[in-house]
Amino acid sequence: AQTVTQSQPEMSVQEAETVTLSCTYDTSESNYYLFWYKQPPSRQMILVIRQEAYKQQNATENRFSVNFQKAAKSFSLKISDSQLGDTAMYFCAFMKHPGAGSYQLTFGKGTKLSVIP
Amino acid sequence: EAQVTQNPRYLITVTGKKLTVTCSQNMNHEYMSWYRQDPGLGLRQIYYSMNVEVTDKGDVPEGYKVSRKEKRNFPLILESPSPNQTSLYFCASSYRILTGQSLYGYTFGSGTRLTVV
Repeated sequence: AQTVTQSQPEMSVQEAETVTLSCTYDTSESNYYLFWYKQPPSRQMILVIRQEAYKQQNATENRFSVNFQKAAKSFSLKISDSQLGDTAMYFCAFMKHPGAGSYQLTFGKGTKLSVIP
Repeated sequence: EAQVTQNPRYLITVTGKKLTVTCSQNMNHEYMSWYRQDPGLGLRQIYYSMNVEVTDKGDVPEGYKVSRKEKRNFPLILESPSPNQTSLYFCASSYRILTGQSLYGYTFGSGTRLTVV
C-alpha cells in the first residue's frame, strides 16, 4: 500500500515571498503519478500541478513548480511570488500508473498555507 | 461547462435515516469515485467505479453503498447513517486512461457537508 506524508500541518508566508511545501511518499511501484491539489475556503479541490514519475524534468505551472526526487521519494511544491489567493489547504497525492489497474488517489493529510499581507 | 455536480451541498440528518448524495458528471468519464475528508486525515476513498455496473470498495467502505446504472451518475447511499459518518464528501471523475495516454487527473465536485446527529 502507498502512503503519503506531509510533515508540515501549517505554514505561513509573506505576500510576494517564496514558500516550499514538503511531501514524501512510500511505494514499491516504479511508474506512478504525483499531484498537488489546492483546497481554498470554498472547499473546491483544484489541481495545481502533476508529475509523471518516468519524467526526469520537474513540472512547472506558472508560479508553481515541484522538486521531484524519485530516489528519495520526495515531491515538494514551491510557490513563488505568493499571493493572498494562495491561502488554502494543499494536499499531496499519489496514484499508481493506471496500467496497474488502479485509479485511486492516495492523499496526504494536508498543509494549511496562510499568505500574510 | 465540464463539471461534476454533487447535491446537496449541505445536509443535516438524524441517526438511522437513509439518505442519498447524488453525483453527476457531463464529461463522459468512465471512472468515478467517492472520498470523505476529515480533519487531520486528508481524503480517503470510500468506493469507486471503473464503468457502468462495475463498482468496488475503497479504503473506508463500511456503512456506504453505491450504484452505477448510468455512466454519468454515481450516487452515494447511507442506509443507516451514524454520527461517525459526519464528514465532507467529494465525488470525483476521470477518464479511464489507457497506457501511453496523458493523465489529466480527477475533476472533483464541490463537496457535500454531511452532519449526522
